[in-house]
Amino acid sequence: SQTIHQWPATLVQPVGSPLSLECTVEGTSNPNLYWYRQAAGRGLQLLFYSVGIGQISSEVPQNLSASRPQDRQFILSSKKLLLSDSGFYLCAWRAGNTGELFFGEGSRLTVL
Amino acid sequence: GNSVTQMEGPVTLSEEAFLTINCTYTATGYPSLFWYVQYPGEGLQLLLKATKADDKGSNKGFEATYRKETTSFHLEKGSVQVSDSAVYFCARWDSSYKLIFGSGTRLLVRP
Repeated sequence: SQTIHQWPATLVQPVGSPLSLECTVEGTSNPNLYWYRQAAGRGLQLLFYSVGIGQISSEVPQNLSASRPQDRQFILSSKKLLLSDSGFYLCAWRAGNTGELFFGEGSRLTVL
Repeated sequence: GNSVTQMEGPVTLSEEAFLTINCTYTATGYPSLFWYVQYPGEGLQLLLKATKADDKGSNKGFEATYRKETTSFHLEKGSVQVSDSAVYFCARWDSSYKLIFGSGTRLLVRP
C-alpha cells in the first residue's frame, strides 16, 4: 500500500534562518507531488506541484522553493525565513489520473 | 474563473443535530467534486467524492449530491457526533494538476 511521510512534524525557526521540509512517498511510482500551506485559521494555499523529477511549478511568488531530486521525494526549502512563512505545511501525492490527493501528516512551522 | 466557495464557519451544533455545509463551484464543464476533512493537528483526508452530475458521494454518515443545476455540492449529515468536530474542505480540480480547495468550514459539535 502507498504511504506518505513528512518531516519534521514540528519546528521553530528564527527569522532569517534556512528551512528544509522533506516529503517521501512509498508504494507508488511517478506520482504528482504537491506542497500546500495552511496559515492559522485560513484555507489551503497551493505552493508548488511537480509532475516528474526536476519538474516544479510554482503557484505563488515568495521566498520558498521546491525540488524533486528523486521520483518519490519532494523538498520544500527557504534560504531566509520570514515571519509570514509560519503555518502548517502539507505534502500530498496523486497517482496517475485518479481524482484523489493523499496527504501527509503535516509540518507545523513557527517563525519567531 | 474556476473556484470553490464554502459557507464560513465556525458551525456549532449539539450532538445529534442535522448538519449542512454549503459548497458551490464555478467551472467550465463538470469536474469531479470532493469533500476533505481535517481533524485537529492532522493532514487532510478524503471524506467523499462525486465524479459526475447527480452522483451522490457518501461516507461515515455524510452525504453530498453533485447538482449541476445549482453548481453545488453541499455536505450533509443527519446526526452529528462530537467526533465529527473538524474542518471540512470542498474541492475541485482546476486543471489536470491542481486541486483547488474552498476556504474550509470549521465544525464544532458539543455534547
